[in-house]
Amino acid sequence: EAQVTQNPRYLITVTGKKLTVTCSQNMNHEYMSWYRQDPGLGLRQIYYSMNVEVTDKGDVPEGYKVSRKEKRNFPLILESPSPNQTSLYFCASSLGPHGGIYEQYFGPGTRLTVT
Amino acid sequence: KQEVTQIPAALSVPEGENLVLNCSFTDSAIYNLQWFRQDPGKGLTSLLLIQSSQREQTSGRLNASLDKSSGRSTLYIAASQPGDSATYLCAVRPLPGGGNKLTFGTGTQLKVEL
Repeated sequence: EAQVTQNPRYLITVTGKKLTVTCSQNMNHEYMSWYRQDPGLGLRQIYYSMNVEVTDKGDVPEGYKVSRKEKRNFPLILESPSPNQTSLYFCASSLGPHGGIYEQYFGPGTRLTVT
Repeated sequence: KQEVTQIPAALSVPEGENLVLNCSFTDSAIYNLQWFRQDPGKGLTSLLLIQSSQREQTSGRLNASLDKSSGRSTLYIAASQPGDSATYLCAVRPLPGGGNKLTFGTGTQLKVEL
């Protein structure tokens, strides 16, 4: 089954404790992104990657890191989480320029609480 | 900077009604527009994708239209059912070279009542 998976689905942590949220897709997609969703602000892009070893900042990159060492994986790293990073996080993927329509597929979300 | 607006923010209708959700965007230089459904605490499910060269797309009881020049899209839901209750989001993708980003509206929360 074609899908985007995220782990963990729920996470409660404390300020300053480094964490990683994993994202994996099995569709051989080139493009991957991370979004956060907050009430009243909608979904905002954090980082995106257009291929292996190619990443760039989205609208709200501060406090986050990403890496793209393999095509299928795009982990989101919070080196020193703070309470304002409490949010619902989504990973998404789509085919790249050769894929045509760029339809985005989303993971199920990771609800992160930083106390 | 692209801005996407969805009106109304919330909508409650009786079962069986036909309804229209609206989405407007400020920059018409888009590659495509995608409508999603989000259930509470869940991920996003893609409903329809309209390429910039298309005027509409249909899937079952759903029909999405796109008027790129006026910066508008509508999602028409026919014969609404309680199972349609969810938040509906529209998102636009920029032209190639504009980055790999969807710009989302804040959504319309739909409740279909028995």
